[in-house]
Amino acid sequence: GAGVSQSPSNKVTEKGKDVELRCDPISGHTALYWYRQSLGQGLEFLIYFQGNSAPDKSGLPSDRFSAERTGGSVSTLTIQRTQQEDSAVYLCASSPDSRGCTFGSGTRLTVV
Amino acid sequence: RKEVEQDPGPFNVPEGATVAFNCTYSNSASQSFFWYRQDCRKEPKLLMSVYSSGNEDGRFTAQLNRASQYISLLIRDSKLSDSATYLCVVNPNNNDMRFGAGTRLTVKP
Repeated sequence: GAGVSQSPSNKVTEKGKDVELRCDPISGHTALYWYRQSLGQGLEFLIYFQGNSAPDKSGLPSDRFSAERTGGSVSTLTIQRTQQEDSAVYLCASSPDSRGCTFGSGTRLTVV
Repeated sequence: RKEVEQDPGPFNVPEGATVAFNCTYSNSASQSFFWYRQDCRKEPKLLMSVYSSGNEDGRFTAQLNRASQYISLLIRDSKLSDSATYLCVVNPNNNDMRFGAGTRLTVKP
């Protein structure tokens, strides 16, 4: 389809393990965003990629979180040594410009 | 089929127009519904929660139609500053959230 694709849709992992979440943005969209929705919380901004510029990492909650975007397209969000408080829905969005995003369906991460 | 579906738009409307978006959901047991305004990069802003038939806040009205399983967002007298992506979020149970893809609105002078 033509939308933003995220995989996996659900991930259950053991505490302490590393996880990788993938986002395939809409082709041609130069901007890519990661957010998360924790239980009982609002949507929280994590990181923003715009073209070839250095990403805005100001929302990453700790140094266990990192993200990269290869070739200006696919992005991977990596969480190292997962903790139970990392359990959330991780949402990706892409945009062709500075306004108007298209969101993926999210990856539900459960750390047990 | 996605669990929550929105018309991606873009909706391009003149200033002062009334515009409405729909969001359909597949889980008939869903109990709560939310519209967020997203300017991208910034924290999405909760615009309105819908728990029963609807909610109104100034120029914004949200309505819930359980029989047809959709919620709508109506914006009256649209302003240039209303230009944003409007994200529909559905809570099928207390421990889960489902997201639409967002509807992009551009209000032009």
